[in-house]
Amino acid sequence: EVQLLQSGGGLVQPGGSLRLSCVASGLSVSGSAMSWVRQAPGKGLEWVSDISADGGSTYYADYVKGRFTISRDNSRSTLYLQMNSLRAEDTAVFYCAKRQSSWGGHFDLWGRGTLVTVSS
Amino acid sequence: EIVMTQSPATLSVSPGERTTLSCRASQSVTSNFAWYQQKPGQAPRLLIYDTSTRATDIPARFSGSGSGTECTLTISSLQSEDFAVYYCQQYNNWPLTFGGGTKVEIK
Repeated sequence: EVQLLQSGGGLVQPGGSLRLSCVASGLSVSGSAMSWVRQAPGKGLEWVSDISADGGSTYYADYVKGRFTISRDNSRSTLYLQMNSLRAEDTAVFYCAKRQSSWGGHFDLWGRGTLVTVSS
Repeated sequence: EIVMTQSPATLSVSPGERTTLSCRASQSVTSNFAWYQQKPGQAPRLLIYDTSTRATDIPARFSGSGSGTECTLTISSLQSEDFAVYYCQQYNNWPLTFGGGTKVEIK
């Protein structure tokens, strides 16, 4: 089965750190850009970050710039999101998503999501 | 940032009816619109990309149209499994942005 398998969510205190992982199974993602998208409880979808297929280019939403770092290991078919200085407003389900091409395009495959809760 | 505005926020529709969802971008995104369906507790699923191309395994009752700053998603005959939230998205400019969603509920 073609899928993106996510892990790494959980409860963290404000100011803390967490690393999310997303492993591609049943497909190769080395030729595709990859993204993180989040959804706060009861809210809509919000793009967080992107990385190009070769990992050489990264992009961030303003509200996570300087706090989150996206990376990938194509040898392990794995995407990461390192989240530092977490705030209560970062509480959300985080989805990894594959983009249609090496440079971008639509999101053609999504992970099931992992919940990140930032609370004391 | 390109703001995506969806209307209406909620649609009450009877099974079998035809319905149209609208999305407006604050500036042109050419044909780089996509539509996603999301059911409670599930990840979004791609329905339409490049404004009008159906994704793999998406039924023909779903269709997309538009260009520039406007796009629409039409469901020709609503089935029970179509009651969900629908999001439009632009991938023409950074940052990537989504509309606020339209909830299609049973009338």
